[in-house]
Order: sequence, then C-alpha cells, then structure tokens
Amino acid sequence: QGRLVESGGGVVQPGRSLTLSCATSGIHFSTYSMHWVRQAPGKGLEWVAMIWFDGSNTYYTDSVKGRFTVSRDNAKETLYLQMNSLRAEDTALYYCARDPWSGYFDRWGQGTLVTVSS
Amino acid sequence: EIVLTQSPGTLSLSPGERATLSCRASQSFCSTCYVAWYHQKPGQAPRLLIYTSTSRATGVPDRISGSGSGTDFTLTISRVEPEDFGVYYCQQHGGSQWSLGPGTRVEIK
Repeated sequence: QGRLVESGGGVVQPGRSLTLSCATSGIHFSTYSMHWVRQAPGKGLEWVAMIWFDGSNTYYTDSVKGRFTVSRDNAKETLYLQMNSLRAEDTALYYCARDPWSGYFDRWGQGTLVTVSS
Repeated sequence: EIVLTQSPGTLSLSPGERATLSCRASQSFCSTCYVAWYHQKPGQAPRLLIYTSTSRATGVPDRISGSGSGTDFTLTISRVEPEDFGVYYCQQHGGSQWSLGPGTRVEIK
C-alpha cells in the first residue's frame, strides 16, 4: 500500500520560512505527480501546489504564488514544500497526496501542522 | 477559476437511510474533467471514495456511488451506516487547476 509521511511542521513567526518534507515508500513515487493540500483548523481542504512526476512543471494556488515552492527528489522518493514569507493565514495541517495521472488524490499522508504566530 | 459548492451543509440521518450529497460547479468543466469525492473522519486524513465522477476507489463498498456531469454531481450512499459519519468533499480534476468544495457534514442519528 505504501506510506507517505510528512514532517517539518512547527510554530514559526510571520515572515519567516519553513520547509516541509513528505517521505514516501512503496508508492512508485518517481512515476506520479504529487500535490500539497492544506486544512486550516476546523476548516475544509484547500489545494496548495502540484508538481509533475519529473519536476518539469509546477502549479500553485494564487494565495501562495511567489512565496511557496514545491520540489521533489525522486532518488530519495521525497516531496518538499519550501514556504517563505509565512502569514497567519498559512496556519494549517499540510498533507501530501499522490496523483495517479488524473488530477485526483488517491494516497494521502497524515499531515504536518504549521502554525504561524508571533 | 472553478468554484465548487456543496449542499446540504449538514445531513443528519439514521442508519439505513439514503444520503444524497450535491456538488455544483460555477461553470462547466472541460470535456475531460471530472469530480472526485473524499470522506474525512475527525483526526484522520481524507480517503478517496470516487474518481472520474463515477468510479469507486479500491475498497469502497457498492452502496456508495457517484453520478453527474456538466456542472452538477451527486454522491449517493444508498444505506447509511454508522461508520459513514464525517465530512465529504468533492474535488474537480482533469485540467491544470484543482479545487475542492467546502464539504458536507454527515451526522448519524
């Protein structure tokens, strides 16, 4: 079935940076596009970013464009999300999810919590 | 940008009753775009139920089904069971943008 394990969350001050990781195993990582989806406390799901299987294309939701960067290391089977200029509204549980070539999410991690607060 | 709305906001049902959840898009998708449905229980990650609007994901019971096209999509649970409580989200997929609806909460009486 495979595993997706997010890490790197924590409490960070507004304007600072944080990098999230999503370590995977058993999901044929290098052949799938991957996404980041977040969920603010008590709120619904929000799509954040997507990267093609080979890293050649990336997409972002408007609210994070220019501040967040999604990347991947296929040799390490790991997905990343570099988050700069963090804002209070970025506070959320961040999930990584696998995309089986059709734009939906068939495997999810358990999430890592990012709290942006002074 | 395609905006998805879901109704009702909350559904309260007894075991054995039928659940009908609606997902409406602000505009028609591209011809090769579809809806996926997810179920999330408190403290858990979402779980894929339906993709390409009508296909069941692995392990999803056949009492759960998806239908619809254009701008109107439906998730139906023919006979609700206690483990079906939680929040259900629809998501549009197939193009180069991805968005999710606000969710429908299902409560079991």
